[in-house]
Amino acid sequence: EVHLEESGGGLVRPGGSLRLSCVGSGYTFKAYHMNWVRQAPGKGLQWVASISLTQVNGYMYYEDSVRGRFTISRDDATNSLFLQMNSLRVEDTAVYYCARDMSFDFWGRGTPVIVSS
Amino acid sequence: DIQMTQSPSSLSASVGDRVTISCRASQGIRSDLSWYQQKPGKAPKRLIYAASSLQSGVPSRFSGSGSGTEFTLTISSLQPEDFATYFCLQLNSYPWTFGQGTKVEIK
Repeated sequence: EVHLEESGGGLVRPGGSLRLSCVGSGYTFKAYHMNWVRQAPGKGLQWVASISLTQVNGYMYYEDSVRGRFTISRDDATNSLFLQMNSLRVEDTAVYYCARDMSFDFWGRGTPVIVSS
Repeated sequence: DIQMTQSPSSLSASVGDRVTISCRASQGIRSDLSWYQQKPGKAPKRLIYAASSLQSGVPSRFSGSGSGTEFTLTISSLQPEDFATYFCLQLNSYPWTFGQGTKVEIK
């Protein structure tokens, strides 16, 4: 059974940094493209970033508002996906989900990030 | 960016009712659309992919239709476990975009 579990969320001041993690199990992690999606309080979902397979250079792409501040990465040896978030803004407050594959077929339960002074 | 307009934003229905939720894309996306169910504190669950294909393990009362710009999710007979929020996702063009969600509540 495919399982994704996010961690690393918390409360951080504006301008601060946070690193989110997502561990995948129940499938061959390295064979799948991975994604981060977020949902701000009372708002809809927003795609944040994606990373392709390591074997195809692990190409990364980002939503415009996070490009240059967030970095997506993966460690296939530990079945882990990461999101390094720097220069955090109040508007980055959201629940952050990881999702598997270009088809977004399986998701984790999310980890909350609160950016507040 | 492709805008996804989902309607209604919420609805009240009774067990056994037929429920339909719509998503409209701002430009044609072929059949590159998925539908998800989301319950508080749980992982979103994919119900439908490629506009009309039922995800394995999902009850057959869920169905999807449409192509191009107009899409519909139908629940043929609403069950108690179906009260949740539903959203669509277009996978035709980067950046991937979502509908705003439809909350299905008990009447």
